[in-house]
Amino acid sequence: SQTIHQWPATLVQPVGSPLSLECTVEGTSNPNLYWYRQAAGRGLQLLFYSVGIGQISSEVPQNLSASRPQDRQFILSSKKLLLSDSGFYLCAWIQQAPVNIQYFGAGTRLSVL
Amino acid sequence: QKEVEQDPGPLSVPEGAIVSLNCTYSNSAFQYFMWYRQYSRKGPELLMYTYSSGNKEDGRFTAQVDKSSKYISLFIRDSQPSDSATYLCAMTGSTNAGKSTFGDGTTLTVKP
Repeated sequence: SQTIHQWPATLVQPVGSPLSLECTVEGTSNPNLYWYRQAAGRGLQLLFYSVGIGQISSEVPQNLSASRPQDRQFILSSKKLLLSDSGFYLCAWIQQAPVNIQYFGAGTRLSVL
Repeated sequence: QKEVEQDPGPLSVPEGAIVSLNCTYSNSAFQYFMWYRQYSRKGPELLMYTYSSGNKEDGRFTAQVDKSSKYISLFIRDSQPSDSATYLCAMTGSTNAGKSTFGDGTTLTVKP
């Protein structure tokens, strides 16, 4: 069966520090991968998605970047964190069509202080 | 105007009540309609999905899709305190890199 892993679960970082969040998927190949941010009490904001190794699409301009160095690995990064980067970050994947249903990881709660 | 509008809530109901959660949408290209349940500080988990119009039942949960009205609902029968969570509707078409459009969520509290 397929599983998705995200780490760390919780992170507290000072303003201006770098960030690296990792997401890996097991039990599947060539998945589409997604990074979302969820502000407290708000919906999901799609940040990046990837349909293959090295292919990254950005949905919103921001202080973050994403990379996909391996088929089942998706990394969210920042060189210098801002207070506004605080939030709950979620990674998701789908198997290829026809059923485009997304499955989520457990999330990383980031607090920038 | 958002592509997907979800009844904002919050909802508070007594245990055993029937709960109705609703979303409307504007994009007629949507084909898959999903409901996710998200417990506090956890990732969303897929509850049910429906392809095109119709009803789908899974235990105490029933999902309805009315494509003519662009309206979807999730009904929870005999609600339990363990159903207390935020419920997100989501929709996707068959293309567009598999991206889904999500509602903002409705927070449900079931009181014992």
